[in-house]
Amino acid sequence: DVKVTQSSRYLVKRTGEKVFLECVQDMDHENMFWYRQDPGLGLRLIYFSYDVKMKEKGDIPEGYSVSREKKERFSLILESASTNQTSMYLCASSLNSAEGMNTEAFFGQGTRLTVV
Amino acid sequence: LAKTTQPISMDSYEGQEVNITCSHNNIATNDYITWYQQFPSQGPRFIIQGYKTKVTNEVASLFIPADRKSSTLSLPRVSLSDTAVYYCLVGDTGSSYKLIFGSGTRLLVRP
Repeated sequence: DVKVTQSSRYLVKRTGEKVFLECVQDMDHENMFWYRQDPGLGLRLIYFSYDVKMKEKGDIPEGYSVSREKKERFSLILESASTNQTSMYLCASSLNSAEGMNTEAFFGQGTRLTVV
Repeated sequence: LAKTTQPISMDSYEGQEVNITCSHNNIATNDYITWYQQFPSQGPRFIIQGYKTKVTNEVASLFIPADRKSSTLSLPRVSLSDTAVYYCLVGDTGSSYKLIFGSGTRLLVRP
């Protein structure tokens, strides 16, 4: 059974803290993604990675960084957490595909982060 | 980057067929159309993908007209458990690895 695992389901952090959200997949997928989801805004792409050590910015990368040192693990880093980063964070992974054809993405259960 | 437009919300009753239409006027020649379903407090789940005409699986059908500027997800005989948000995505040929979600369509199925 395919699996994308996020390290925490719920997290509470203080403003200014450095926060690490971890995501691990066991499907040998090349692509990994980090999204945030807020009411009324759908899923917004923060960063994605198509290979180890490779990353590209999504639509809302400000205030975030990522790390992909191993194929199975993709970390999202909030360098200095702020209250406007309170959100649901979702990680996903997928195989590489032919141009234009997104292969099926598998999502983790999400991490609900609250910054106080 | 091809954008998609969907209705914000739809209501239906159990046993009815539900059709959700997505507009993607700027779809590129190589782009596929993919639909995901998301239940509350869960990540999205792949439903169906197509390139042209009609695709059917055990969950839904996807209808794509010849000009491919829109697509329709059809859910036959919905039940209460089909209440969810449905997202339409179009492949980004500028960067084929990206998955860009819009705001989705919130479907409410009533008894």
